[in-house]
Amino acid sequence: AQKITQTQPGMFVQEKEAVTLDCTYDTSDQSYGLFWYKQPSSGEMIFLIYQGSYDEQNATEGRYSLNFQKARKSANLVISASQLGDSAMYFCAMREARGNAGNMLTFGGGTRLMVKP
Amino acid sequence: SQTIHQWPATLVQPVGSPLSLECTVEGTSNPNLYWYRQAAGRGLQLLFYSVGIGQISSEVPQNLSASRPQDRQFILSSKKLLLSDSGFYLCAWRPLDRAFFGQGTRLTVV
Repeated sequence: AQKITQTQPGMFVQEKEAVTLDCTYDTSDQSYGLFWYKQPSSGEMIFLIYQGSYDEQNATEGRYSLNFQKARKSANLVISASQLGDSAMYFCAMREARGNAGNMLTFGGGTRLMVKP
Repeated sequence: SQTIHQWPATLVQPVGSPLSLECTVEGTSNPNLYWYRQAAGRGLQLLFYSVGIGQISSEVPQNLSASRPQDRQFILSSKKLLLSDSGFYLCAWRPLDRAFFGQGTRLTVV
């Protein structure tokens, strides 16, 4: 079963507007972490933001904020004041414990964001 | 500070040829290391992970193998490449609250 689901394969947003990228997850663990990464056309993976399952407040990093709704198992990324340089693929990921195997990082299928001037 | 190196950046290999991609981490010890593959326009698929020297776990059956000969070295290999092995390969090191990725290797099997 899909662990991380990103239902928006592609999205457009007008420059300077805010945009929300959806992410839902599935886990039975009590302790887990949620991440968002940006991947520009160069291919590098750029860490954006992290939310721990026990964090009571939504994580924020500059223009990025994570709308964490634990009961709904959603961890949407909000980008405020979009810039042309925000055009990229965005991946949601989840860290889960796997016993002696350590922690695993599982990724969603990604959302391609295109910012229009 | 911690850094992760991955090479080569690009590779074009004929079908049936061997493969060796190398990943090394600096600035940490006993890291958890991961190999991911990304098909064009798709998400990242976990291939292998390692929690220590000589300890390799495979997530999906495939034509590839991995080895951890040293604490901070993780190698992805194949004896005979297939066309379907083409993709973007990423090595990752994962501390508790974020993961660091290498620059990636774009492999084209022709």
